[in-house]
Amino acid sequence: DAKTTQPNSMESNEEEPVHLPCNHSTISGTDYIHWYRQLPSQGPEYVIHGLTSNVNNRMASLAIAEDRKSSTLILHRATLRDAAVYYCILKTSYDKVIFGPGTSLSVIP
Amino acid sequence: EAGVTQSPTHLIKTRGQQATLRCSPISGHTSVYWYQQALGLGLQFLLWYDEGEERNRGNFPPRFSGRQFPNYSSELNVNALELEDSALYLCASSEMTRHREAFFGQGTRLTVV
Repeated sequence: DAKTTQPNSMESNEEEPVHLPCNHSTISGTDYIHWYRQLPSQGPEYVIHGLTSNVNNRMASLAIAEDRKSSTLILHRATLRDAAVYYCILKTSYDKVIFGPGTSLSVIP
Repeated sequence: EAGVTQSPTHLIKTRGQQATLRCSPISGHTSVYWYQQALGLGLQFLLWYDEGEERNRGNFPPRFSGRQFPNYSSELNVNALELEDSALYLCASSEMTRHREAFFGQGTRLTVV
């Protein structure tokens, strides 16, 4: 199974940018990098994904290292509603989607 | 467009009974994933179905089983329930390609007493 490692927890002040790192040193050339988040008492929700190039959407940006062994999810202005567990996963065509423990993000008002 | 729907929302069973959980994927999605999330813990992969076939399963005993129907909806069955099976069971659906995101339902909270 493709593996990722993330810090257990991070803190951010409200209205400031947050950079959530993820290491995936065993990534293969065809693995996509996906990010999900889980708010308290809810099912996970999709945030963003990418293969090689940096990606932007209305929720966040994804910066992928040139060697693809790491990536960073960027929340441009953290709000209290962004407090959640953020999961970085690798997705292949014919593999199960494995979630690690994720990073618990706290946002301080 | 309707999202992934799971039923029931809550389920209470006694030890030794069987539980059946249901999941309806987003229209057009052929893959369904099941996860178990015990209180305060991460998501543990249970099962993956696609096009009616079981494609992969996690490290769970055989009393956890399921199936996918021709309309791509899915059932998760848990036999001989144990207290430790109490958890939130989440279903997700996606198109069967690695670059498509998965969409999750709100889960079924199973309590075994």
